[in-house]
Amino acid sequence: DGGITQSPKYLFRKEGQNVTLSCEQNLNHDAMYWYRQDPGQGLRLIYYSQIVNDFQKGDIAEGYSVSREKKESFPLTVTSAQKNPTAFYLCASSISSRGSSNGPQHFGDGTRLSIL
Amino acid sequence: GENVEQHPSTLSVQEGDSAVIKCTYSDSASNYFPWYKQELGKGPQLIIDIRSNVGEKKDQRIAVTLNKTAKHFSLHITETQPEDSAVYFCAASIDRGKLIFGQGTELSVKP
Repeated sequence: DGGITQSPKYLFRKEGQNVTLSCEQNLNHDAMYWYRQDPGQGLRLIYYSQIVNDFQKGDIAEGYSVSREKKESFPLTVTSAQKNPTAFYLCASSISSRGSSNGPQHFGDGTRLSIL
Repeated sequence: GENVEQHPSTLSVQEGDSAVIKCTYSDSASNYFPWYKQELGKGPQLIIDIRSNVGEKKDQRIAVTLNKTAKHFSLHITETQPEDSAVYFCAASIDRGKLIFGQGTELSVKP
């Protein structure tokens, strides 16, 4: 089945540690996105990538880092600099058309990160 | 930058009644408006979307209306069923790029 896979579903981090969240898609989409979801605040964009080896900061990039070495993979690292990392993290992907509009975004089922 | 306001934050209806969720946006350049449904522990699922060159779009029991002048768009669900219970999010973007989301509406359909 084609889709977006996020792993693990639940993740725990100790204070001062970095942790990496996985996002893999087999939809052949060029664009990938990371969002953070907190209760009552909707989804906020952390980072996005329109093409391999290129990515841009979203609205809340501080304390996070990403890489895009392969088209199907867009891992997110939550660093120790992120002061309030407890949240639900969602990955999305879409067809990207430079010079025209992208396709609609489709989401994975998320990773819930908690601090021990 | 773009800001999207969504109301109400919670909505409770009887099975069979209609439900309406409203959103306003601030950036007149926004031209794409999707609606997502999120069930507990899952990622958001796209249920309907509309572009700014269209005033209304319908898909079975779900419809979306857009008023570009007022920068306002709404989701209408008719003949609600218990399985419609979920959190619904509106969003706005330019050319389906960065999505700016509303705060969400928790819909409860009582049998």
